[in-house]
Amino acid sequence: DSGVTQTPKHLITATGQRVTLRCSPRSGDLSVYWYQQSLDQGLQFLIQYYNGEERAKGNILERFSAQQFPDLHSELNLSSLELGDSALYFCASSVDGSNYGYTFGSGTRLTVV
Amino acid sequence: GQNIDQPTEMTATEGAIVQINCTYQTSGFNGLFWYQQHAGEAPTFLSYNVLDGLEEKGRFSSFLSRSKGYSYLLLKELQMKDSASYLCAVRFYNTDKLIFGTGTRLQVFP
Repeated sequence: DSGVTQTPKHLITATGQRVTLRCSPRSGDLSVYWYQQSLDQGLQFLIQYYNGEERAKGNILERFSAQQFPDLHSELNLSSLELGDSALYFCASSVDGSNYGYTFGSGTRLTVV
Repeated sequence: GQNIDQPTEMTATEGAIVQINCTYQTSGFNGLFWYQQHAGEAPTFLSYNVLDGLEEKGRFSSFLSRSKGYSYLLLKELQMKDSASYLCAVRFYNTDKLIFGTGTRLQVFP
């Protein structure tokens, strides 16, 4: 157990629907990052939050949004889902400046049918 | 730019040594990380370099040359369980985000 908890582990939904992925960071970590990994693709950075504030944005679609709550857990909302959104979504957390980079959760596998 | 390049695939024999290269073209560099990822699983941290030189950790070592924008991961005494993808990632100063290369899929054969 890495200390980063992601739920659900698997999600199957239809095109056009909306889903919410949840992440609880490791205790003491203030930063949360979301990544998307499609089949045979690298990890694509989506967005970063630090202590409740958005800190960096990557290649995140307008149909996607995220937030970090006062208890530091984060949610990634994906709407108007398309087949191409099927992927593994990872959450990671870190203490800023850590020499250990990020600690990743086990991911949510989203399948859009 | 934020191009991070790695070979797509490599193969090696059990017990051998393999070197996985990574080149990056980026500004605001604040460290380079190597992660291991087995298929369908979360990436796990292997090593970190921020200064030039070699960092050794058991069977794994990582090297960095900031002037050349170059790093490599060296895996010694390969084991079957080392078959995985190896991801090179660069961290930036102002946001602490990591940008990942596409990864190198390593297959170890008996």
